[in-house]
Amino acid sequence: QKEVEQDPGPLSVPEGAIVSLNCTYSNSAFQYFMWYRQYSRKGPELLMYTYSSGNKEDGRFTAQVDKSSKYISLFIRDSQPSDSATYLCAMSAGTSYDKVIFGPGTSLSVIP
Amino acid sequence: ETGVTQTPRHLVMGMTNKKSLKCEQHLGHNAMYWYKQSAKKPLELMFVYSLEERVENNSVPSRFSPECPNSSHLFLHLHTLQPEDSALYLCASSPGLWGTQYFGPGTRLLVL
Repeated sequence: QKEVEQDPGPLSVPEGAIVSLNCTYSNSAFQYFMWYRQYSRKGPELLMYTYSSGNKEDGRFTAQVDKSSKYISLFIRDSQPSDSATYLCAMSAGTSYDKVIFGPGTSLSVIP
Repeated sequence: ETGVTQTPRHLVMGMTNKKSLKCEQHLGHNAMYWYKQSAKKPLELMFVYSLEERVENNSVPSRFSPECPNSSHLFLHLHTLQPEDSALYLCASSPGLWGTQYFGPGTRLLVL
């Protein structure tokens, strides 16, 4: 079993739709969860950062962590064409000995 | 801009060439990373430096040679590469080892 799994997509939605992007993981020690957005031909950009379980909201973006199910989600409300990118989840147990593990990314296209 | 710059942005090299990739971070971070990103694959960690000391060498072939002269600069020296080494090479930095990472724009490498 891979340590972090993510549906690669591609996911195509109409402008204005609510988008749900998800990752599952196997290591129960993970406590820090991140979402990165990567535009074509650019490096990943940190979008959201959460610790432990619960929700965190930032504008149109909501990150949700369910540690009991080992499942994290990123919701995008009122999606825009500018949201078209690849979204990478990443997670870590959080000590200086624990690597950050990245998912393979989900490609999202928001159609005007 | 994330405060992490990479040069060159694009590089084409033959299998017998020697070239170097450069990364510079202006964030005052203590840890720097090299990743390889190939199509449809998760980020592959290559090397990690913390306070200029290499702390991780993730079974990378010796044709890739990192150098970290100070905490702001990281190089990846390339020689006798193979076509399968063609990929996007990303540099990242974090405040401390395995902290939240901030990525540069990447160098897209093509080996002919």
